[in-house]
Amino acid sequence: AQKITQTQPGMFVQEKEAVTLDCTYDTSDQSYGLFWYKQPSSGEMIFLIYQGSYDEQNATEGRYSLNFQKARKSANLVISASQLGDSAMYFCAMFSTQGGSEKLVFGKGTKLTVNP
Amino acid sequence: ETGVTQSPTHLIKTRGQQVTLRCSSQSGHNTVSWYQQALGQGPQFIFQYYREEENGRGNFPPRFSGLQFPNYSSELNVNALELDDSALYLCATLRRGYNEQFFGPGTRLTVL
Repeated sequence: AQKITQTQPGMFVQEKEAVTLDCTYDTSDQSYGLFWYKQPSSGEMIFLIYQGSYDEQNATEGRYSLNFQKARKSANLVISASQLGDSAMYFCAMFSTQGGSEKLVFGKGTKLTVNP
Repeated sequence: ETGVTQSPTHLIKTRGQQVTLRCSSQSGHNTVSWYQQALGQGPQFIFQYYREEENGRGNFPPRFSGLQFPNYSSELNVNALELDDSALYLCATLRRGYNEQFFGPGTRLTVL
């Protein structure tokens, strides 16, 4: 079974600084995908970044980058130059096709607070 | 904006009642998944529909059921509501074979 672990229930960062949100995963699949989503208090899951297991380079999307270390089974999200609007819940998720359905397996999330 | 809509936004029901939640799919997305997100937790996969048939289910009892329509919109039905069913219910649509799932804004269900 696939599992996502996020060990930081809450993180605090000063505006304009960088922050790293941790994510480790467990899977027996050779091919898999990892996602990060942002969830503001409104509830909608906002896609941030995707990393495929065979991608040779770490994914980047604007201020977001993914520090992918396959041997360590970690996929940490780095947010550079934090903004007040970055305050939200952040979820790491793994794409799974076990059982025939294409689903996401989520971690418990990290609450990020950006201080002015 | 993902183009996925859900209704209603909020809902209050009492224990034992039945509820229907709705999700409209983004154009071209033939697969819809439903997730339950309890307070303080990550979303949990309920089930998925593809070509109007259930295509995989998570660890949820049969009183959670669904439908998918020819236009790819979907319903989640929950019978005999329990207090623990109080949660945010998210639907996500995707094109089968593509990894990314597009989430709707969710329906907040409160069971009293």
